[in-house]
Amino acid sequence: GNSVTQMEGPVTLSEEAFLTINCTYTATGYPSLFWYVQYPGEGLQLLLKATKADDKGSNKGFEATYRKETTSFHLEKGSVQVSDSAVYFCALSVVGGGADGLTFGKGTHLIIQP
Amino acid sequence: DTGVSQDPRHKITKRGQNVTFRCDPISEHNRLYWYRQTLGQGPEFLTYFQNEAQLEKSRLLSDRFSAERPKGSFSTLEIQRTEQGDSAMYLCASSSTGTGGETQYFGPGTRLLVL
Repeated sequence: GNSVTQMEGPVTLSEEAFLTINCTYTATGYPSLFWYVQYPGEGLQLLLKATKADDKGSNKGFEATYRKETTSFHLEKGSVQVSDSAVYFCALSVVGGGADGLTFGKGTHLIIQP
Repeated sequence: DTGVSQDPRHKITKRGQNVTFRCDPISEHNRLYWYRQTLGQGPEFLTYFQNEAQLEKSRLLSDRFSAERPKGSFSTLEIQRTEQGDSAMYLCASSSTGTGGETQYFGPGTRLLVL
């Protein structure tokens, strides 16, 4: 089946630090990969996505590259801000062969201290 | 541009009671998904509609759960004979048909507490 593994949190960083949140996956078929973010008191929002190998998704200074050879989609940001404090979810969906919804990781709680 | 809406936002019920949640997707979206999220976990897929047809159900969806999307617009999720283990956030998402990798837009969720 499909599964997503991401680093457990909480991850606590100082403002302007470099961020990496690791995400690896297993999938039957060719997945599309996503990062969703959940800010305190809000619903899930798409942060970025990539639909094929070597694609790079980017948004709000965050980036992630679809690495088929390592089955990974690590999230990075060069300089985090307090406003980036949230829970980040890595997810996949399999292209074709029906639509069984997104498979999510458990989420990584990111805390940015001023 | 209205997003996905869900009603109610919170529901407290006693074990054994039935509850029903409603989801209104983004108007032009023909796909609608239901997920369940428990504390400290990512959302788990429950079921999916394309227009009014329910095309996929997770094994998580026991026979106490039923979902409908009668006119291909809003959807309802009913839980019969609720159990304490049903306490969770129930999320709805919608998307438009694409070639794959389409973005799902999530609603704010309905938080259910079963006493």
